[in-house]
Amino acid sequence: NAGVTQTPKFQVLKTGQSMTLQCAQDMNHEYMSWYRQDPGMGLRLIHYSVGAGITDQGEVPNGYNVSRSTTEDFPLRLLSAAPSQTSVYFCASSYLGWSQRGYTFGSGTRLTVV
Amino acid sequence: DQQVKQNSPSLSVQEGRISILNCDYTNSMFDYFLWYKKYPAEGPTFLISISSIKDKNEDGRFTVFLNKSAKHLSLHIVPSQPGDSAVYFCAALNNNDMRFGAGTRLTVKP
Repeated sequence: NAGVTQTPKFQVLKTGQSMTLQCAQDMNHEYMSWYRQDPGMGLRLIHYSVGAGITDQGEVPNGYNVSRSTTEDFPLRLLSAAPSQTSVYFCASSYLGWSQRGYTFGSGTRLTVV
Repeated sequence: DQQVKQNSPSLSVQEGRISILNCDYTNSMFDYFLWYKKYPAEGPTFLISISSIKDKNEDGRFTVFLNKSAKHLSLHIVPSQPGDSAVYFCAALNNNDMRFGAGTRLTVKP
């Protein structure tokens, strides 16, 4: 099925550990982004990319790194996990310039940092 | 700063009646506004959008109204159905920056 695939679906980390959240799409979308969803805060943009080799910061980038070596993949790295990074993370994609037609979202990764 | 606000965390309506979800924004640079629907354990799915140069867009049972002078938009669902029960997010787009509201949980009672 075409769409956005996120792995893992659930993860528990200890404070200070690092990990990578994976995101892959098979729709040849140029634009990809990462959001986090917290209660009462909606979805907040962490990082985004408009094509391979191009990334930029969103609203809440601190503590996260991204890279875009291929059109299909956009991994999100937590360098040293903190309890404040406990959240549900969503990856989204769209054709560049088509954002007004809505993003396609993955099903999310629920991360708990203890 | 939250540039997109949904002030009602929840809304309950009877099946067949109208559901009205509201959203306010602060940044006049937004050029599109969107509504997404989200079921538990799934990602948000796009519902409907409107350009900042329009004041209404309709798609079946869903209509979005935009009042630029008040920086306010609303989503009308008529008639509401139990399957519409979900969390609805309002979003606003400026270039590649899409900002979301906190969401409104809609419950449609049979």
